[in-house]
Amino acid sequence: KAGVTQTPRYLIKTRGQQVTLSCSPISGHRSVSWYQQTPGQGLQFLFEYFSETQRNKGNFPGRFSGRQFSNSRSEMNVSTLELGDSALYLCASSLARTSESSYNEQFFGPGTRLTVL
Amino acid sequence: GDSVTQMEGPVTLSEEAFLTINCTYTATGYPSLFWYVQYPGEGLQLLLKATKADDKGSNKGFEATYRKETTSFHLEKGSVQVSDSAVYFCALIRAGNMLTFGGGTRLMVKP
Repeated sequence: KAGVTQTPRYLIKTRGQQVTLSCSPISGHRSVSWYQQTPGQGLQFLFEYFSETQRNKGNFPGRFSGRQFSNSRSEMNVSTLELGDSALYLCASSLARTSESSYNEQFFGPGTRLTVL
Repeated sequence: GDSVTQMEGPVTLSEEAFLTINCTYTATGYPSLFWYVQYPGEGLQLLLKATKADDKGSNKGFEATYRKETTSFHLEKGSVQVSDSAVYFCALIRAGNMLTFGGGTRLMVKP
């Protein structure tokens, strides 16, 4: 079974540009979550999509947005890039959503490393 | 809000030494707890998990016990190998799919 794939793996952009990252979840998984990893802030939750709807959002500015398609693939977009957006962006997929009584494991992709110059 | 605190690294050990990485959490309700590992240039891999109090998660010689009374989930391994060198993250989840991570602990094992 193929794992979570993210494209591109590496990206270099300049300040003010915008960027779109893509995540293909494991087949059959309906939930996709995005995380930003930086040396200073660590791993921070960006947002989660389930069945094409955003279910949860982290504390990031509106420049960060995302969407999910009917095949569960997800994209995230960052507009007006800033130097501080340089990070590893990780995508995770799971079969369903975890509840108080039911846990659903999340599987992570290898990430997209974004460098903003 | 929820938070996870883990010991800062790097932790440097000799091969076959005993490993402990401390992790404590703050959360309402009954979160599930995890340890993830990240090898250089890769994403996160789930190492072990515990979904309720007193559960012990174990995998590849690593163990951690969910202690609700001390809100802790310390990671241990009896004999580390060079191949265990990586960054380890403690994390929790309640409802939904939002993981809250600790800051990560880099482990370096020398031959």
